[in-house]
Formats: sequence, C-alpha cells, structure tokens
Amino acid sequence: DAGVTQSPTHLIKTRGQQVTLRCSPKSGHDTVSWYQQALGQGPQFIFQYYEEEERQRGNFPDRFSGHQFPNYSSELNVNALLLGDSALYLCASSSSSRGNEQFFGPGTRLTVL
Amino acid sequence: GENVEQHPSTLSVQEGDSAVIKCTYSDSASNYFPWYKQELGKRPQLIIDIRSNVGEKKDQRIAVTLNKTAKHFSLHITETQPEDSAVYFCAASRNSGYALNFGKGTSLLVTP
Repeated sequence: DAGVTQSPTHLIKTRGQQVTLRCSPKSGHDTVSWYQQALGQGPQFIFQYYEEEERQRGNFPDRFSGHQFPNYSSELNVNALLLGDSALYLCASSSSSRGNEQFFGPGTRLTVL
Repeated sequence: GENVEQHPSTLSVQEGDSAVIKCTYSDSASNYFPWYKQELGKRPQLIIDIRSNVGEKKDQRIAVTLNKTAKHFSLHITETQPEDSAVYFCAASRNSGYALNFGKGTSLLVTP
C-alpha cells in the first residue's frame, strides 16, 4: 500500500513564473491538505480539498490555487512566483470516514531564483 | 486564528534520560492535538495524538498530556535513544480532519 506521494521532488523556477505541484493521497483517503514549510519553521496550512471542492483555506494569497480530481489526487498551483515562495511544499491526506489523521507526503522542494 | 507556541526550540539530553516538549494554544475550540516527528530531509510523521475528551495518552515510550483549562499540552519521551533525535512539531486543530496549526518545532538531540 503506497503512502502519500508527491511530484516533482525538486523544482527550480524564476520569479514571475508559474508552478504546478502534484499529490497522490494514501489509498483509501479522500481528503488532501497542502502545507508550506519554510526552512526551520513548522508547516503552514494553505488549503484543503474534499469532494473536489476547497473546504478550508489558510492565510495565503489568491496566487495559490488548487484542484482535486475524481480519483482524490490534487494539484497546487502558484502563479507569479516570488522569492519568498521558496519552501518545502507538503501534501497530507486523510480519510473522512476513518479517524481523519493526516499523513504527509515527502514534499516538493521549490526554489525560486 | 489559532496560535500555537512550542518550547523549547532546542533540547539536548543524554541517552536514557527523559525529554519533555510543551505547547500552548489560543483557540478554545481546538480539540485535536497531534505530534509529528520530522527527521532531516524527511516527511513529518505522526507519532501520537490526543483529543480533547482525553487527558493523557501513552504509546510505549511516548506520552502526551492535555490540560484544556490551561490550553497546554506536552509530549513526554522516556528512555530516550539516539534515533529519537529529530525535530518535533506540535499542532492544534478544531477537528482532526481540518487545518493543522503547527508550532515552530523543537530540535531534539539525544547524545550517546
């Protein structure tokens, strides 16, 4: 049983570009949450998707958007990249019917130059 | 919104000693409190969690206590081992399936 997977592992972009990160949840999970983890900090909640809808959103600008597909996988899109967007982007999945504990993927390391 | 404070930021103990990490939270509606362990370059891993209807929970060498009145919860690791060395994060949430608000982390070093 595969756990949460994310792609790509690393990504380098320049300011102003756009990026798409992908997440496949753990088998049996239907909810996907995205977090941004700056170096030396705790993860910060970006948003959560359930039933293909954004259910909850943290304090991030509209440049951050997402999507959830019918197979529960999810994408995080960031437009007009800023240097400050450089971080580890973590996806976490959970099951709405089984405890709701969130399990994290390995993350995508985004560097904006 | 929820504010989670975590102390200490770094903790160094000798192998076999106990380690305690403390967190406070501000949102009285929070009722789910997980702890995650993150080794260098790896994903955060859930090690234990507690819900507001329970005051204490134990799993082998790890225990978590919760004081809802004081809005604080703590992680206790007994008989520490070098492999316990990692960054530990506490978090609080209104519901286990919703946004987790994390503390800034505690870097634990267990020296042989």
